Amino acid sequence: AQSVTQPDIHITVSEGASLELRCNYSYGATPYLFWYVQSPGQGLQLLLKYFSGDTLVQGIKGFEAEFKRSQSSFNLRKPSVHWSDAAEYFCAVGAESNYQLIWGAGTKLIIKP
Amino acid sequence: ETGVTQTPRHLVMGMTNKKSLKCEQHLGHNAMYWYKQSAKKPLELMFVYNFKEQTENNSVPSRFSPECPNSSHLFLHLHTLQPEDSALYLCASSQMGQGNTEAFFGQGTRLTVV
Repeated sequence: AQSVTQPDIHITVSEGASLELRCNYSYGATPYLFWYVQSPGQGLQLLLKYFSGDTLVQGIKGFEAEFKRSQSSFNLRKPSVHWSDAAEYFCAVGAESNYQLIWGAGTKLIIKP
Repeated sequence: ETGVTQTPRHLVMGMTNKKSLKCEQHLGHNAMYWYKQSAKKPLELMFVYNFKEQTENNSVPSRFSPECPNSSHLFLHLHTLQPEDSALYLCASSQMGQGNTEAFFGQGTRLTVV
């Protein structure tokens, strides 16, 4: 079955600390992978995506993610978080021929001052 | 305006009311989507329109009725809803057929059914 797992419902980090949000997927075809961010009361904004090529992708707001096929993972990282990064983060997987994305349940990021 | 715009941002309705949610995209995309977002659950895809034709209906109750008059506008007509239908309803658009499934989202309509 196709699925996306974000094992952490909540993560709390101190401002200035590094961050890693986990995403694991189960998908039968070559995956297209996405990370979206949702601030309170807002829609979802694309942070970054992986389609092919370099497995380390850079996104907006200083985020990056690494695709590891052997681990079926696409973890999101940021070297130093800012208070404005507090939001909910969603991982999603799709395919070139499948416009329907499969979504994880999200990870809520809380920033400690 | 740019991007994907949804109105209204907030809606409170009784179970016997009829209301409509509106979505408009200014990105020139050919596909539009309705999603339901409930607390602590993954996004649920409700409907997909490709070139104004409905291509997906993921077992959504008939009290939700979509309408796509053209590739830029999408509506969700609501009637006789239940309290469990309270959620954030998100509209999205994308360009199909180019190997890029990136979706652009509106800010959502927060629906409360009383």
